[in-house]
Amino acid sequence: QQKVQQSPESLTVSEGAMASLNCTFSDGTSDNFRWYRQHSGKGLEMLVSIFSDGEKEEGRFTAHLNRASLHVSLHIREPQPSDSAVYLCAVSAFASSSFSKLVFGQGTSLSVVP
Amino acid sequence: NAGVIQTPRHKVTGKGQEATLWCEPISGHSAVFWYRQTIVQGLEFLTYFRNQAPIDDSGMPKERFSAQMPNQSHSTLKIQSTQPQDSAVYLCASSLGGNTLYFGEGSRLIVV
Repeated sequence: QQKVQQSPESLTVSEGAMASLNCTFSDGTSDNFRWYRQHSGKGLEMLVSIFSDGEKEEGRFTAHLNRASLHVSLHIREPQPSDSAVYLCAVSAFASSSFSKLVFGQGTSLSVVP
Repeated sequence: NAGVIQTPRHKVTGKGQEATLWCEPISGHSAVFWYRQTIVQGLEFLTYFRNQAPIDDSGMPKERFSAQMPNQSHSTLKIQSTQPQDSAVYLCASSLGGNTLYFGEGSRLIVV
């Protein structure tokens, strides 16, 4: 059963500095990895999805995937106070399934201070 | 596009009573997912439907939880005999395909 863990639990960065979040998973056969964020009291907003090893950029958000290391990361370039939120890593439960349920990590709470 | 709509946004119910939560998926989306979110457990998968048919309910507590999707435009999650441990935010998501889930803002259930 896929297990997903995120680190750190919380992170504070200065506005404009790079923010880096980490996610490890237990089953390297999964082929669908996503980063979501959740502002307080709101739903989940998808930031970036990645399906193969390497890098995927969506605006200021870049995901790096290394399935051999069971690791996916998210880097936020030039973070702003409005980026303060909980960031959630999600991994598909099964490989190569278009409707596989997603397994989520516990989240990293990011605070961006001016 | 209004996105995924969930009602009610907040519900307070007494222990032992029934609670029903509604979800209206994005028009045209063929899959609907239900998740439960608590501080302790995080986001937990409950169940999902594809083309209105139940596909995977492996996350559903078997005895008091049930979900239905009677038509393409809405799904319900019903909790009978609610208990304090059912207090959580229940999130609904819909998908057109390819695992891109679009989430609603959730229904916060408090059982007192």
